[in-house]
Amino acid sequence: QKEVEQNSGPLSVPEGAIASLNCTYSDRGSQSFFWYRQYSGKSPELIMFIYSNGDKEDGRFTAQLNKASQYVSLLIRDSQPSDSATYLCAAYNFNKFYFGSGTKLNVKP
Amino acid sequence: NAGVTQTPKFRILKIGQSMTLQCTQDMNHNYMYWYRQDPGMGLKLIYYSVGAGITDKGEVPNGYNVSRSTTEDFPLRLELAAPSQTSVYFCASSTGKGAYEQYFGPGTRLTVT
Repeated sequence: QKEVEQNSGPLSVPEGAIASLNCTYSDRGSQSFFWYRQYSGKSPELIMFIYSNGDKEDGRFTAQLNKASQYVSLLIRDSQPSDSATYLCAAYNFNKFYFGSGTKLNVKP
Repeated sequence: NAGVTQTPKFRILKIGQSMTLQCTQDMNHNYMYWYRQDPGMGLKLIYYSVGAGITDKGEVPNGYNVSRSTTEDFPLRLELAAPSQTSVYFCASSTGKGAYEQYFGPGTRLTVT
């Protein structure tokens, strides 16, 4: 069974701090990895994707992938209260996406 | 350009009833997906389609059926509804190329009592 694991949280950080969200996956055949943000009662929206080992930066967000450790992370710099949401990690393999249960992030003003 | 639309937004079904959740996209995407999301959980793939006439099972297909007669539409059929099918259902589409970014619809909240 292909699994994606995330700490459910909540992860609480003060405004302006760095939030670090982590994800592990079980299927070594996974080809690419995605981070989605989901506000309560809304649909998921894509923040970033990554498919190569290393770091990928986009504005305040940095995704990190370590295929040897089967580990994906998302760093949010200068966290804002508007970043408070649930963050879903997903792994993609042969037309299918496998989602973790999400980490709830609270950014305190 | 409406993106991905889903109807209805909310529905209450009695046990044993059937219904069809509608999903339409206007982005000419070949790939379409149906997910369910239970409270506090991630998304589970029910069925997906890589093009008109082609569908395949995801992680949790039991109790559901799909069809894909056009590129735009991907309806999900629930037969003999059960309380375990109480969930929020999301439809998504993607080009299937490059980043494989999925565009999600607003969801359908279904309660089976």
